[in-house]
Amino acid sequence: EIVLTQSPTTTAASPGEKVTITCLASSSVSNMYWYQQKSGASPKLLIYSTSSLASGVPDRFSGSGSGTSYSLTINTMEAEDAATYYCQQWSSNPLTFGSGTKLEIK
Amino acid sequence: AVQLVESGGGLVQPKESLKISCAASGFTFSNAAMYWVRQAPGKGLEWVARIRTKPNNYATYYADSVKGRFTISRDDSKSMVYLQMDNLKTEDTAMYYCTAEGGEYWGQGVMVTVSS
Repeated sequence: EIVLTQSPTTTAASPGEKVTITCLASSSVSNMYWYQQKSGASPKLLIYSTSSLASGVPDRFSGSGSGTSYSLTINTMEAEDAATYYCQQWSSNPLTFGSGTKLEIK
Repeated sequence: AVQLVESGGGLVQPKESLKISCAASGFTFSNAAMYWVRQAPGKGLEWVARIRTKPNNYATYYADSVKGRFTISRDDSKSMVYLQMDNLKTEDTAMYYCTAEGGEYWGQGVMVTVSS
């Protein structure tokens, strides 16, 4: 099983600040997906295939990485971005999620 | 518009069974692998089961935590995916979501509570 380790576990950012969340895989994966989940809501796809923006997602979100190291970046933090973020790999069974990064607004 | 609507959740006692359903619309259901993902209260996301398409012989896969107790199935004629959960344990208490391959579409989730 591929284990995905996210960091940080929790962080806070001021409006306009840049935020980076990392996801390290225990083995190489071909792609990474990123989700945003707000309290009481279903996960929302942000990034697919490592760096492609899902439909309707603001372009302040971006993804990058390869092999075992991936990252999600929010270029300029907005209040509405306060949420928990998860990485996920679909490359091998079982598909796995990171443990999540809780992002708060300062 | 794409919709995934789960149903059938509720409160059951340990060792009991429950079957939850997911009704899909707005996309070619028969072409999509389908998944169940769960989230225990206050916890992260955990993949539960996957079912592939007819050309892939409806192959199924399960997380170790549910293997032998849960069964995923689908009815392409009704655009439905199901999760039969047997011998339920308290640790199965969670919100259960269905999602299609690629992760773009998720249902609103259905709560399953296992408690005596």
